[in-house]
Amino acid sequence: QITLKESGPTLVKPTQTLTLTCNFSGFSLSTSGVGVGWIRQPPGKALEWLALIYWNDDKRYSPSLKTRLTITKDTSKNLVVLTMTNADPADTATYYCAHRAVVIMPHGYFDLWGRGTLVTVSS
Amino acid sequence: QSVLTQPPSVSAAPGQKVTISCSGSSSNIGNNYVAWYQQLPGTAPKLLIYDNNKRPSGIPDRFSGSKSGTSATLGITGLQTGDEADYYCGTWDSSLSAEVFGGGTKLTVL
Repeated sequence: QITLKESGPTLVKPTQTLTLTCNFSGFSLSTSGVGVGWIRQPPGKALEWLALIYWNDDKRYSPSLKTRLTITKDTSKNLVVLTMTNADPADTATYYCAHRAVVIMPHGYFDLWGRGTLVTVSS
Repeated sequence: QSVLTQPPSVSAAPGQKVTISCSGSSSNIGNNYVAWYQQLPGTAPKLLIYDNNKRPSGIPDRFSGSKSGTSATLGITGLQTGDEADYYCGTWDSSLSAEVFGGGTKLTVL
């Protein structure tokens, strides 16, 4: 059974760096064809994809946020970390991590999601 | 503004059928597989359809997906009040080199 759980600060001040962790179980990020992605959703708004990391350490980022994001994985600890620099109130959102099933790189879909963690950016 | 265009809302009566459209371009829907996600109020999104028209295990056959050209459609038959949710389409955009989602469609079962 695959599960994912996001964790991180609930409140971040503007200009600070936001660090989110996705702890997962039921799969290995060293297995070919597997990835983990981050998606966020501002209150009352649509889903927005942020970043992806694959089993082979291939990394993809949202073009609009690329300069602020870094995604890494620790295969031995079954976790993926997303860091976002220079936080802004517009980054207030629920952040989800999700298991990526790969069709043909980089195409795929998010077949299992964590429950999400709400992050508020405010002074 | 989302790369993929969905109607903001749709509605239908219990037992009826509804379709939700998702319009894109040749760089996304036109040349890549489409997925659909259901987000019930206050919960995380859930995969409903993948590879345009395949259902994950446990998803009832009341839900169906199709694709034609640069548009995709989610169909739901035998509507139930429990189907009230936001629905999102998603796919890879080869030009942007990014995963893109639609703006979401709120389904109301009257």
